[in-house]
Amino acid sequence: DAGVTQSPTHLIKTRGQQVTLRCSPKSGHDTVSWYQQALGQGPQFIFQYYEEEERQRGNFPDRFSGHQFPNYSSELNVNALLLGDSALYLCASSSGTGTPEAFFGQGTRLTVV
Amino acid sequence: LAKTTQPISMDSYEGQEVNITCSHNNIATNDYITWYQQFPSQGPRFIIQGYKTKVTNEVASLFIPADRKSSTLSLPRVSLSDTAVYYCLVGDLGKLIFGQGTELSVKP
Repeated sequence: DAGVTQSPTHLIKTRGQQVTLRCSPKSGHDTVSWYQQALGQGPQFIFQYYEEEERQRGNFPDRFSGHQFPNYSSELNVNALLLGDSALYLCASSSGTGTPEAFFGQGTRLTVV
Repeated sequence: LAKTTQPISMDSYEGQEVNITCSHNNIATNDYITWYQQFPSQGPRFIIQGYKTKVTNEVASLFIPADRKSSTLSLPRVSLSDTAVYYCLVGDLGKLIFGQGTELSVKP
């Protein structure tokens, strides 16, 4: 049983470009959340998707957007990249029925130059 | 959402029991307490969750006093591989709010 998978693992982009990160949730999970983790900091909640809709959102600008597909996989899009967007982007999946565990992927390391 | 406070770092030796205490003075009635472990360049991993009293699983124990304003994660007989950052979270399951975490260093 595959856990949460994210792609790509590493990415280098130029300031001003756009990026799309992808996440496949753990089998049986229908809820996907995205987090940004800067070096030396704890993960910061970006948003959560359930039933193909954004259910909750953290304190991130509109440059950060997402999508969830019918198979529960999800994408995170970031427009007009800034140097400060360089971070580890983590995807977490969970069950909408409220089980305690959120399973995290290995993350995508984004570097903006 | 309840804010948590935990030590920034702790040191221990192999074979010792490690207790990490987290303060959450404004925890809400419906909030659960959850602990995650994170290794460098990996996503956080769920360790344990509780609401009150004591919870134990194969990895750790979680002690929660009656007033629920704090909690203590107990790791029995730590090994070098337990060196990681440990996060205490309080709130609902949908929106996990991570603090700085406690960086645990286990020495031989």
